[in-house]
Amino acid sequence: EAGVAQSPRYKIIEKRQSVAFWCNPISGHATLYWYQQILGQGPKLLIQFQNNGVVDDSQLPKDRFSAERLKGVDSTLKIQPAKLEDSAVYLCASSPMDGIAYPSPLHFGNGTRLTVT
Amino acid sequence: AQTVTQSQPEMSVQEAETVTLSCTYDTSESDYYLFWYKQPPSRQMILVIRQEAYKQQNATENRFSVNFQKAAKSFSLKISDSQLGDAAMYFCAYRTRGYQKVTFGTGTKLQVIP
Repeated sequence: EAGVAQSPRYKIIEKRQSVAFWCNPISGHATLYWYQQILGQGPKLLIQFQNNGVVDDSQLPKDRFSAERLKGVDSTLKIQPAKLEDSAVYLCASSPMDGIAYPSPLHFGNGTRLTVT
Repeated sequence: AQTVTQSQPEMSVQEAETVTLSCTYDTSESDYYLFWYKQPPSRQMILVIRQEAYKQQNATENRFSVNFQKAAKSFSLKISDSQLGDAAMYFCAYRTRGYQKVTFGTGTKLQVIP
């Protein structure tokens, strides 16, 4: 099966500019996650979708970050305006609903490395 | 809220030797899932092993095994016969049973010495 696709792979912007990341999950995966991973730290959940509804966005800085999942498939994450502290890798992951025998793991994309100067 | 703690920022192991990475978590739930993920320099997270909390038997996957101590809320990863390709960041993760929220630890960087 095709994996989780993310673009772009790298992005460099100046502070106060805007940026958008795109994610295409594995076909049929109902749950989609956006994580922020600052260098040397573990991934931090920004937002979790189930189909096209938001399950958890408690750690999303809503004054500057927004995300949507179109028709329960692709998703975009936007930052406007960007700050220096937003420099990080943004990871998208997807997961199917749990099977009978096993908890479903997350399948990750390669991430987008954002540098804000 | 659940928290996951990895107290070893870095570990090293000689090739072919065994190493154990530690993970503890905090939760009030009785049913949940635990995972170990590997993140090589290429950045893509890869599942290493998973464990259901209601299963007493420790999970194993080839050279990887876990020591799951539910009462102690501990979930360590043992890598046997370490290989150079095992060098990576390793993340412990906790997942709720219900709506699949996944919380990660801060990671342990594993170095494999030839």
